[in-house]
Amino acid sequence: GAVVSQHPSRVICKSGTSVKIECRSLDFQATTMFWYRQFPKQSLMLMATSNEGSKATYEQGVEKDKFLINHASLTLSTLTVTSAHPEDSSFYICSAKTGGEGETQYFGPGTRLLVL
Amino acid sequence: GQNIDQPTEMTATEGAIVQINCTYQTSGFNGLFWYQQHAGEAPTFLSYNVLDGLEEKGRFSSFLSRSKGYSYLLLKELQMKDSASYLCAALDSNYQLIWGAGTKLIIKP
Repeated sequence: GAVVSQHPSRVICKSGTSVKIECRSLDFQATTMFWYRQFPKQSLMLMATSNEGSKATYEQGVEKDKFLINHASLTLSTLTVTSAHPEDSSFYICSAKTGGEGETQYFGPGTRLLVL
Repeated sequence: GQNIDQPTEMTATEGAIVQINCTYQTSGFNGLFWYQQHAGEAPTFLSYNVLDGLEEKGRFSSFLSRSKGYSYLLLKELQMKDSASYLCAALDSNYQLIWGAGTKLIIKP
C-alpha cells in the first residue's frame, strides 16, 4: 500500500517554457502532499506543502508565482514550473501522507527536469 | 536553530554490520524517520521512532533516545544492494520534517 506515482519521470525543455509535473496517490487518499527539490549530492529541500482544496504553503525563498501548485483532489497534486530556466534543472520529488499529525510521508519516484 | 547531523559517508563490508548515527536539535519533537535513497531515485521509508528504544524490522533496526537527541540506524548482514544514502529526518513541533543531508553508505565485497 501507500504507492505514489509521478509523471513524467524525466523531462527536457527549452528555457522559457513551462513544465507540469503530476503527483498521484494510487491506493490512498492524500490530504497533504509535499513538493521537494533535490540538487545533486544535497538533501531534500521542501518547496511547498499543499492540502486538498486549499492554497499551498510555500517555504521561504520559493516563488509561488514560478512554482504553481494545485491540489485539486485527494489523489492528485500538480507542480508547474513556469518560464523554466537552466537553474531550475533539478530532481523534483513529491510525497503524500494520509492525514493526521506524524503520518509517514510516502515518496513518488521523482521527476528529473533539465532546462536547456 | 534546527539541525540534523549525520556522517557524510561510511564504508562497510558485505555481510558485516554498520551503524549510522544521527543527532538532532529541533524545536519540539514528534518522531524521527529514516529513509533510504538510491542514487537517482526518490527516498523510500524505512522506519519511524517516536518512543525511546529499539525498533527491529528484519535486517534493519532503528534506535531513539529522546533525552540525548540521538538516533541510529543499524543494518545487519549487509548486501551490495544496501549501498545508498540514508536520510535521517526529525518531525518538529509543527509536524514539519527537518532533513539531514544524508549518509552515503558504500558496501565493499
